[in-house]
Amino acid sequence: QVQLVQSGAEVKKPGASVRVSCKASAYTFTDYYMHWVRQAPGQGLEWMGRINPNTGATSFAQRFQGRISMTRDTSTGTAYMGLGRLRSDDTATYYCARAAPGLLRLPDFWGQGTLITVSS
Amino acid sequence: QSVLTQPPSVSGTPGQRVTISCSRSSSNIGSHTMMWYQQLPGTAPKLLFYSNNQRPSGVPDRFSGSKSGTSGSLTISGLQSEDEADYYCATWDDSLNGPVFGGGTKLTVL
Repeated sequence: QVQLVQSGAEVKKPGASVRVSCKASAYTFTDYYMHWVRQAPGQGLEWMGRINPNTGATSFAQRFQGRISMTRDTSTGTAYMGLGRLRSDDTATYYCARAAPGLLRLPDFWGQGTLITVSS
Repeated sequence: QSVLTQPPSVSGTPGQRVTISCSRSSSNIGSHTMMWYQQLPGTAPKLLFYSNNQRPSGVPDRFSGSKSGTSGSLTISGLQSEDEADYYCATWDDSLNGPVFGGGTKLTVL
């Protein structure tokens, strides 16, 4: 069974940075893109970007350009998402989600989520 | 304003059939496959079905989808109390070069 296990909740101050990890198991990590999606409290889902774990190539939503990074460690099957210059409206649950194969490209399996709280 | 529009809420009683619509409002998403997700309270989204109404293993056949023109819909038959959740549609957005999600529909089982 495909599993994505994310790192734990964090509290950050405005202006700080955060890095969330997502460890994949039960499938070949480098065969599937990984998306990152966030959900503010009581709100809907917002796509942030994706990474090709095979090549490391990334694609980000424009609104996060300049303060987001995505990396991966193929030896451990772990994807990472970093977000800098945090603001209070970055308070959200952040999900990693494997991309369905082929032309579907949309998320199929999701991590359990990581709550990031930005507060002074 | 999402390019995918869903009703904010729907409701039904146990045993009823409910339908949630998802309409596209941008040419950037064209006729790309639409997928549906269920998010139970306090949990991560879960894929309900995709492409040609295929359901991942473990998803009951009470959940089905259909497509009409530029819109899609999710139908839940034989509504059960455990179906109470938020439901999201999603599709690929060529201008975003990524997935776009509908605003979500809260299903209440009365």
